[in-house]
Amino acid sequence: NAGVTQTPKFRILKIGQSMTLQCTQDMNHNYMYWYRQDPGMGLKLIYYSVGAGITDKGEVPNGYNVSRSTTEDFPLRLELAAPSQTSVYFCASTTTGQGEAFFGQGTRLTVV
Amino acid sequence: GEDVEQSLFLSVREGDSSVINCTYTDSSSTYLYWYKQEPGAGLQLLTYIFSNMDMKQDQRLTVLLNKKDKHLSLRIADTQTGDSAIYFCAETPGGSYIPTFGRGTSLIVHP
Repeated sequence: NAGVTQTPKFRILKIGQSMTLQCTQDMNHNYMYWYRQDPGMGLKLIYYSVGAGITDKGEVPNGYNVSRSTTEDFPLRLELAAPSQTSVYFCASTTTGQGEAFFGQGTRLTVV
Repeated sequence: GEDVEQSLFLSVREGDSSVINCTYTDSSSTYLYWYKQEPGAGLQLLTYIFSNMDMKQDQRLTVLLNKKDKHLSLRIADTQTGDSAIYFCAETPGGSYIPTFGRGTSLIVHP
């Protein structure tokens, strides 16, 4: 099992550009999450999904969109990049929502 | 305020014990977790404790849970330079499917 795989690992975007952060998991987990990590601020939940076709907003959803067409994939879309979106983004998944969370390696995004 | 609170930094000498503390707010959490994040990597589960336990020991790691005070601690015995990392306390409140993380404690181990 590869676990949770995120691509790309690093990206530099110009203000106003768009991009999609990819996340896929091969553990057949229903629950998937996107977090952003800023220094000293811990992990803030952006969006989450409890299964294919179902997504919901987390604590900091503005400027982002997600989709969940399959159990495996949970991409995060930035439509108009802003400097405030400079961060490290983590995708995670759990089996039941209550158990261990499995994390990807992260995507380090810089918006200039 | 934060649901899960932890101090941001801890510095210890190699060979000493490290104690990282955490307070949480939701008494209905079934499990409480400690995750470790090494530089440039994602979080990995280090250990966890069931809410009906007071203590759990796993080699150099000891987790203590005080449910009355909603206080969780992680003790690392004989701390090594390889233990330098950020440690996150986490809970998933009862009825929720969203893990909630503290801000993370940066553990620095110096010779």
